[in-house]
Parts: sequence; C-alpha cells; structure tokens
Amino acid sequence: AQTVTQSQPEMSVQEAETVTLSCTYDTSESDYYLFWYKQPPSRQMILVIRQEAYKQQNATENRFSVNFQKAAKSFSLKISDSQLGDAAMYFCAYMDGSNSGYALNFGKGTSLLVTP
Amino acid sequence: DSGVTQTPKHLITATGQRVTLRCSPRSGDLSVYWYQQSLDQGLQFLIQYYNGEERAKGNILERFSAQQFPDLHSELNLSSLELGDSALYFCASSVFQGLGYNEQFFGPGTRLTVL
Repeated sequence: AQTVTQSQPEMSVQEAETVTLSCTYDTSESDYYLFWYKQPPSRQMILVIRQEAYKQQNATENRFSVNFQKAAKSFSLKISDSQLGDAAMYFCAYMDGSNSGYALNFGKGTSLLVTP
Repeated sequence: DSGVTQTPKHLITATGQRVTLRCSPRSGDLSVYWYQQSLDQGLQFLIQYYNGEERAKGNILERFSAQQFPDLHSELNLSSLELGDSALYFCASSVFQGLGYNEQFFGPGTRLTVL
C-alpha cells in the first residue's frame, strides 16, 4: 500500500517569510498524483496545489509552489510571503487509480503557525 | 462553498447506537468518496461509490456501510458505535472515475461524537 509521510508535526513561520513543508511517499506506481490540502480551523478541506507525476515541471499556484523529486519520492510545499491566513493544518496526499479508485491517501499533517 | 452538502453538521450519540450521515454531491458529479478524520487514525479513505455502485474500499469497518441512491446522494451508516468512532466524517465528490484524475470537492463534514 502507498504511504505518505509528513515528518514535521508542527512548523512556524513569520509573516512575509518563506516556509517549506516536507512530504515523502512510497509507491510502485509510475502514474500518480500528489496534492497539498489546507485545513483551516473551520475544518474545510481546501486544495492548495496538485502535481502530476508525469510532469517534470514543478507546479506553482501564486505564493505556493512544490519541489517534486520523483526519484527520491519527495514532494515539498513552499509557501512564500507567508500570511496570517496561511495558518492551518497542511496535508500531503497521494492518488492513483490502481486499487483505490482514485481515492486520496493522506499524510498525518503539518500544523503551520504564522506569527506577526 | 464547494457545492457538496453534508447533514447533519454535528451528531452526538451513545455507544451501541446507529447513525446515518448524508451527503449530496455537486451537481453533475457521479462519484462520492467518504473519509474519516480522527485523532488516532488521521484522515483515511473509507469507501467510494460511482453512479450508484461501490467502486473502491479503504479502511472501512464491517460495522460501517454506505450506499448511493439514484439521485446520487449518498449515505454512510455507522452501527454499534464505539467511542473510537468519534471523528469528523467528510464526503467528497468528483465528476468521473476510471479515466484519470478528477478533482475531489469536499463537503464541510459531519462531526460525530460518541459518548
């Protein structure tokens, strides 16, 4: 089974600074997708960014970008110019179509604190 | 607002009881996924339905079952509840399943508390 590991239970960043959240995964599949989801205190799950494994180019969405290292099975999220509204739980997630019908397999999450 | 609705928002019940959680997918979405978020297990996939049929199973207990109705809404039934079933239950929907990626849109969740 595919596993997703987030080794940082908590991270802290100052407003306007940059922070990187780490994620590693394990899979034997060649075709898959990786995601970062944000869960603010409201508990709503919000898709931040998506990466297709077949794409070599790292995905970017405004202040959010990823560093996708396929051989190393690493998928980190960089948040630039951090804002107070970025404070949330961040989940790394994996998806493929092999056995799980394109269901999401989540890591344990990283709690991000943003300080003024 | 994702367009996915879940009812009720909160549910408090006792051990041994049975509850039903309801999910209405976004208009046009045929696939529904159920996820459980608990302190012990984190966020985990339970089960998926596509156009009324079960398509994939995750870590769903035998005490739990689900179905998707002709109008595409889905229900998750939890029986013989235990304290450890206390969790936030999410429903997510997507357009299609089987031909690659389709974004899943999450509902607001149902918070279940078992006393």
